[in-house]
Amino acid sequence: QKEVEQDPGPLSVPEGAIVSLNCTYSNSAFQYFMWYRQYSRKGPELLMYTYSSGNKEDGRFTAQVDKSSKYISLFIRDSQPSDSATYLCAMNTLSGNTPLVFGKGTRLSVIA
Amino acid sequence: NAGVTQTPKFQVLKTGQSMTLQCAQDMNHNSMYWYRQDPGMGLRLIYYSASEGTTDKGEVPNGYNVSRLNKREFSLRLESAAPSQTSVYFCASGGAGGPKNIQYFGAGTRLSVL
Repeated sequence: QKEVEQDPGPLSVPEGAIVSLNCTYSNSAFQYFMWYRQYSRKGPELLMYTYSSGNKEDGRFTAQVDKSSKYISLFIRDSQPSDSATYLCAMNTLSGNTPLVFGKGTRLSVIA
Repeated sequence: NAGVTQTPKFQVLKTGQSMTLQCAQDMNHNSMYWYRQDPGMGLRLIYYSASEGTTDKGEVPNGYNVSRLNKREFSLRLESAAPSQTSVYFCASGGAGGPKNIQYFGAGTRLSVL
């Protein structure tokens, strides 16, 4: 079993839809959870991060962590064509400068 | 503030040729990373350097070498390129405080090995 599982999609939604992107993980030591967005032919850029459990909101984006289920989600409200990208989840433990563990990414297309 | 800068942006090699991918960061980060990204495979860690003077293997180190030249620079070398090394290569840096080890990525190098 991979440490982090993420459905690769592709996911295609109409403009204005609510999008839900998800990852599951197996390592209960993960404490930091991040979402990266990667546009075509660009490097990943950090979108949001959360520590431990709970929700975090930033504009149209909400990140949610459920540590009891080892499940994290990214919700996008009022999705726009400019949200079309690949979204990668990433996570890390509390200890040291260890590399992030990434999901494989979900490709999202928002159709106008 | 340039962030993470990778050179070159594109490269075509013949099988057996060698080359070095360069990466520099100006964020005073301790850690630096090299990934490759292939369709359907996600980001795969090749090598990383947790601090100046140290390097460690990642998931797919075979066929690559790295050098942490100083705190700012981390290079990736292909000694004898193979078609299986055709990929997009990303450098990242992180670890200078804040949430644990958020990584910041460069724009990538697209490498084709013929």
